[in-house]
Amino acid sequence: DAGVTQSPTHLIKTRGQQVTLRCSPKSGHDTVSWYQQALGQGPQFIFQYYEEEERQRGNFPDRFSGHQFPNYSSELNVNALLLGDSALYLCASSLTLDTQYFGPGTRLTVL
Amino acid sequence: QKEVEQDPGPLSVPEGAIVSLNCTYSNSAFQYFMWYRQYSRKGPELLMYTYSSGNKEDGRFTAQVDKSSKYISLFIRDSQPSDSATYLCAMSAGEGSSNTGKLIFGQGTTLQVKP
Repeated sequence: DAGVTQSPTHLIKTRGQQVTLRCSPKSGHDTVSWYQQALGQGPQFIFQYYEEEERQRGNFPDRFSGHQFPNYSSELNVNALLLGDSALYLCASSLTLDTQYFGPGTRLTVL
Repeated sequence: QKEVEQDPGPLSVPEGAIVSLNCTYSNSAFQYFMWYRQYSRKGPELLMYTYSSGNKEDGRFTAQVDKSSKYISLFIRDSQPSDSATYLCAMSAGEGSSNTGKLIFGQGTTLQVKP
């Protein structure tokens, strides 16, 4: 049984560009949450998707947007990239919200 | 003030030692408490999940939650070099009888277990 997968593994962008990150949840999981983890910090909640809708959102600007597809996979989009957006982006999936399973993350570097 | 405080360490112990990791929090709405382990350049791995106050044991790991003090702990017995990692506490609030699933993390404590 494949766990949570994310793509790409890492990427490099320049300021002002846009990026799309992808996540496939663990089999049978219908909820996907996204987190941003800066170096040396704990992950910070960006938003959560369930039934193709954003159910909750953390304290992130509108430059951060997402989508969930009918197969429960999800995308995170970030527009107008800033240097401060450089981080590890983590996707977590769950069936019940009590236990969330994380993917390996996408490491984004903004130059 | 952060909602969840965790000493970043680093914490260095000899193999076989008992390790104690702790977090404090300020939001009394938190009801669900978790510990994750994260190896370098990997995603967090769920170790322990606890609802409300109390103790939970799983092999060499014991999680404790004291809601009255807003304090949670993770104990690792007979620590091994393979336990060397960053340990993250996380917690979430309830909404009615359900978990919101919005995890608030501590900064993480880096643990090194020396052979």
